[in-house]
Amino acid sequence: TQLLEQSPQFLSIQEGENLTVYCNSSSVFSSLQWYRQEPGEGPVLLVTVVTGGEVKKLKRLTFQFGDARKDSSLHITAAQPGDTGLYLCAGAPRGFGNEKLTFGTGTRLTIIP
Amino acid sequence: DTEVTQTPKHLVMGMTNKKSLKCEQHMGHRAMYWYKQKAKKPPELMFVYSYEKLSINESVPSRFSPECPNSSLLNLHLHALQPEDSALYLCASSPEGSTKNIQYFGAGTRLSVL
Repeated sequence: TQLLEQSPQFLSIQEGENLTVYCNSSSVFSSLQWYRQEPGEGPVLLVTVVTGGEVKKLKRLTFQFGDARKDSSLHITAAQPGDTGLYLCAGAPRGFGNEKLTFGTGTRLTIIP
Repeated sequence: DTEVTQTPKHLVMGMTNKKSLKCEQHMGHRAMYWYKQKAKKPPELMFVYSYEKLSINESVPSRFSPECPNSSLLNLHLHALQPEDSALYLCASSPEGSTKNIQYFGAGTRLSVL
């Protein structure tokens, strides 16, 4: 069974601060998605990374896929209250047909105004 | 349009009731999924349909019965549920080709079993 461990599990910071969330595994993934989920809603796709070492930016969010495609990070600059939510990484196993994603354990982020 | 629509948004049912959850997408996606999500946990995969055929059943109890009437619709029929089945049920879909691993989620159905 492939596992994706996220850290930290919980993070509460002041508005304007920077933060990094990590998503780690011992397994290789063909691609990795990051989602943000608000209470009572479904996960919303933020980004997909495919190539080892790839870096993608989405406004104040920077996503990186590890060189070996086993880990990923999400960095938020100047966090805002609207960034509050549950952040989930999800990896597509290498060699698998298509359907199964392995979800990370989640990081619950709270930005304090 | 990357919308997956789920109905109802909330559902309360007794343990002897029969109800159905519905999911619809018009993005031409050929894979559709049901997930169960408990509070403060990541989604857990229940079923996958690929080209309207059930391709993955993650050992889900038979009181959950999925159905895919056509490529745009996915149902989850519920019968004789237990209180521990109370959760957020999420539907997702994904395209074929190079982006086949990208899943788009609906807003979910919040189910409470009394």
